Amino acid sequence: NAGVTQTPKFQVLKTGQSMTLQCAQDMNHEYMSWYRQDPGMGLRLIHYSVGAGITDQGEVPNGYNVSRSTTEDFPLRLLSAAPSQTSVYFCASSATERYYEQYFGPGTRLTVT
Amino acid sequence: AQSVTQPDIHITVSEGASLELRCNYSYGATPYLFWYVQSPGQGLQLLLKYFSGDTLVQGIKGFEAEFKRSQSSFNLRKPSVHWSDAAEYFCAVGGHGNKLVFGAGTILRVKS
Repeated sequence: NAGVTQTPKFQVLKTGQSMTLQCAQDMNHEYMSWYRQDPGMGLRLIHYSVGAGITDQGEVPNGYNVSRSTTEDFPLRLLSAAPSQTSVYFCASSATERYYEQYFGPGTRLTVT
Repeated sequence: AQSVTQPDIHITVSEGASLELRCNYSYGATPYLFWYVQSPGQGLQLLLKYFSGDTLVQGIKGFEAEFKRSQSSFNLRKPSVHWSDAAEYFCAVGGHGNKLVFGAGTILRVKS
């Protein structure tokens, strides 16, 4: 089991560029989520999904899009990057009935200049 | 809306000393409470959880936490800290829509 994998590990973007952060899990988890982690602010939920074809917004969704076409994959898209999106991004997955026991990926450190 | 406060940004303890990390929550109903740990450069790992029943819960790595409804607290404790416990610790509350709300985190430093 690879668990939750994220690519890339590091990324530098210029303002206005777009990119997709990849997230995949091999545990057959229905629940997947994206967080951003900023110093002094803990983790904030961006978007989440309770199954293929179902997504919903979290606390800080603006500037991000998601889709869930398969159980395994949950990519996060930045359509037009802004310096305020400089952060560390974590993907997590869990069985829906145990949503709190989330398995986290190693994170993607994104810098927007 | 639910929220979590971790009053201490940094805590330094000596190896072998006891540890208590504070967590206060705000939630309208009986809360589901959790502690996660993040080692440097890693994702988060669940340490322990509280749903109901016994207010003292045991977790992995020798950690425990006590739920005190009257104080809206869920403090994390360990009797004797090891150097490998140096990490960032997050308290979280399980809220509406099966979402977790995290506190800002407490960075634990262990001095030898």
